[in-house]
Amino acid sequence: KAGVTQTPRYLIKTRGQQVTLSCSPISGHRSVSWYQQTPGQGLQFLFEYFSETQRNKGNFPGRFSGRQFSNSRSEMNVSTLELGDSALYLCASSLGIGSEQFFGPGTRLTVL
Amino acid sequence: GQQVMQIPQYQHVQEGEDFTTYCNSSTTLSNIQWYKQRPGGHPVFLIQLVKSGEVKKQKRLTFQFGEAKKNSSLHITATQTTDVGTYFCAGPDQGGSEKLVFGKGTKLTVNP
Repeated sequence: KAGVTQTPRYLIKTRGQQVTLSCSPISGHRSVSWYQQTPGQGLQFLFEYFSETQRNKGNFPGRFSGRQFSNSRSEMNVSTLELGDSALYLCASSLGIGSEQFFGPGTRLTVL
Repeated sequence: GQQVMQIPQYQHVQEGEDFTTYCNSSTTLSNIQWYKQRPGGHPVFLIQLVKSGEVKKQKRLTFQFGEAKKNSSLHITATQTTDVGTYFCAGPDQGGSEKLVFGKGTKLTVNP
């Protein structure tokens, strides 16, 4: 079974730009969660999608948004990038948010 | 909001020594999950504990869930260099959403 894939793996942007990250979950998994990982704050939950609906949301500003498609693939978008958005963005798929999370390799975003 | 705290933040051991990381939640948890993230990698699920007082073993790793279901520990016997990484505990948010709340992790380094 193929694992969770994320594209791109690395991204460099400048302040004010926007970015879209993509995540393809494990086949059969309908839940996709997104996390931001930084050295200071650890793993912080952004949002979770299940069957194209956002079910859970973390405490991030509205600049962070996401969506899920009918094939369970998910995208997250960050608009008006700030320096503090530099982080590793991880997506995780699962059968449900409370069950074992399978993480992708992440997208390393650097904002200059 | 719910907090999940882990101690210590860092632990350096000599190969062959034992290692323990502790996880404490501000609220009672329905279950707790443990993940390991190797340097440069992504979190990988290790185990989920559900029952009060539960103890599970995976080779040299022993996981324990407290009687009050507010704390947990991971103990590694006779560490090896392959144990290097950051160990995270995570519990479901008890505030209504189902998101996972991660501790900030314990970074383990092993001196050969």
